[in-house]
Amino acid sequence: DAKTTQPTSMDCAEGRAANLPCNHSTISGNEYVYWYRQIHSQGPQYIIHGLKNNETNEMASLIITEDRKSSTLILPHATLRDTAVYYCIVRVAQAGTALIFGKGTTLSVSS
Amino acid sequence: GAVVSQHPSWVICKSGTSVKIECRSLDFQATTMFWYRQFPKQSLMLMATSNEGSKATYEQGVEKDKFLINHASLTLSTLTVTSAHPEDSSFYICSASPSGTGDSPLHFGNGTRLTVT
Repeated sequence: DAKTTQPTSMDCAEGRAANLPCNHSTISGNEYVYWYRQIHSQGPQYIIHGLKNNETNEMASLIITEDRKSSTLILPHATLRDTAVYYCIVRVAQAGTALIFGKGTTLSVSS
Repeated sequence: GAVVSQHPSWVICKSGTSVKIECRSLDFQATTMFWYRQFPKQSLMLMATSNEGSKATYEQGVEKDKFLINHASLTLSTLTVTSAHPEDSSFYICSASPSGTGDSPLHFGNGTRLTVT
């Protein structure tokens, strides 16, 4: 079973920030938080990952709480093309370890 | 970088025939690759872990004799669906990460849509 809990769906207006929450209260010390998204009929796309510090890249920002029991993915200026299912996954940072997907959050961006 | 290519992107086959799906890491070597299956409106489910030069490890409930996996090189893994039936119709996706890296993210192919008639 997935070790994360995410809302089933969220809506966001185009141009606004999309903040996607994720609970991972049973995360272990050696597990990273990964975020992926899947646009319809495509393979999942990597977004960002982190251990305990906040991370930012060209796609998004990842905010991890100090106790590491939850995190938030931030898309700073959502566009229609950001409509997708977003998956938050915890994974041991070890080569050969798979990603186990939960149900994710369906983000709908509208104009 | 870190591109994973899957082929074919879609395939239609008749019941009872076999279908081979290829997964290639284009710009890196991958000791391990993973195969997932996704039914409509559901999440990805891990089917098996493909290890270069050794036997694949299958998840519980996945028939190893039906879903044959071969990982003959560091850049290629294949999944063969043998004696396909309509219930095998699904979206099959592979993923990989560069060998020897710990927290490096897995990268995914664009999937293969299999329809068995």
